[in-house]
Amino acid sequence: EVQLVESGGGLVKPGGSLRLSCAASGLALTGYGVGWVRQAPGKGLQWVASISSRSNYIYYADSVKGRFTISRDNVKNSQYLQMNSLRAEDTAVYYCARVRYCSSDICYQIDNWGQGTLVTVSS
Amino acid sequence: QIVLTQPPSVSAAPGQKVTISCSGSNSNIGNHYVSWYQQLPGTAPKLLIYDNDKRPSGIPDRFSGSKSGTSATLDITGLRPADEAHYYCETWDIGLSADVFGGGTKVTVL
Repeated sequence: EVQLVESGGGLVKPGGSLRLSCAASGLALTGYGVGWVRQAPGKGLQWVASISSRSNYIYYADSVKGRFTISRDNVKNSQYLQMNSLRAEDTAVYYCARVRYCSSDICYQIDNWGQGTLVTVSS
Repeated sequence: QIVLTQPPSVSAAPGQKVTISCSGSNSNIGNHYVSWYQQLPGTAPKLLIYDNDKRPSGIPDRFSGSKSGTSATLDITGLRPADEAHYYCETWDIGLSADVFGGGTKVTVL
């Protein structure tokens, strides 16, 4: 079965950290960009970060720049999102994604999505 | 900040057609492909249309996309109750160096 599976979500206090992981099975990530998109409760989709196939191009939304770090391991067919200095407004379901176009100057169009993992930031 | 504008909701009776618009600018839609995603209640989004007007395998031809200038459109014909979902457009914004989504449109089958 083709799937992306996220893990690592949970409840964290404001100012705390979490590391999300996303493993692909039946789906090659090599040669594609990967990224994260989040959805706050009852809200729309918000792109968070993306990284190219060789990790040489990395993009972040302004709202997470300096706090979140995206990375990938092509040998493990996986990607990660290290989230530091978490705030209440970071509360959301986080989806990992495979990105079709990702190079210098662009990184977009998601052709596969994970099922999502919930991150709750609350004291 | 939402740079792609979609109507919050559209509705129609079963068998009818709905059209969802996505309005942007030369910084985004005007210079990049548009994709559309369907999000059924309680599930992850799914790719519906890519490269403006192409359907992934398994997506019925009742769903069609088009782009003209700085706007894009998703048409759903032969509407079914199972089509009730939120639909999002997406593209790249050169000025923001960001992947951008529309605010989403809820389709209701009357």
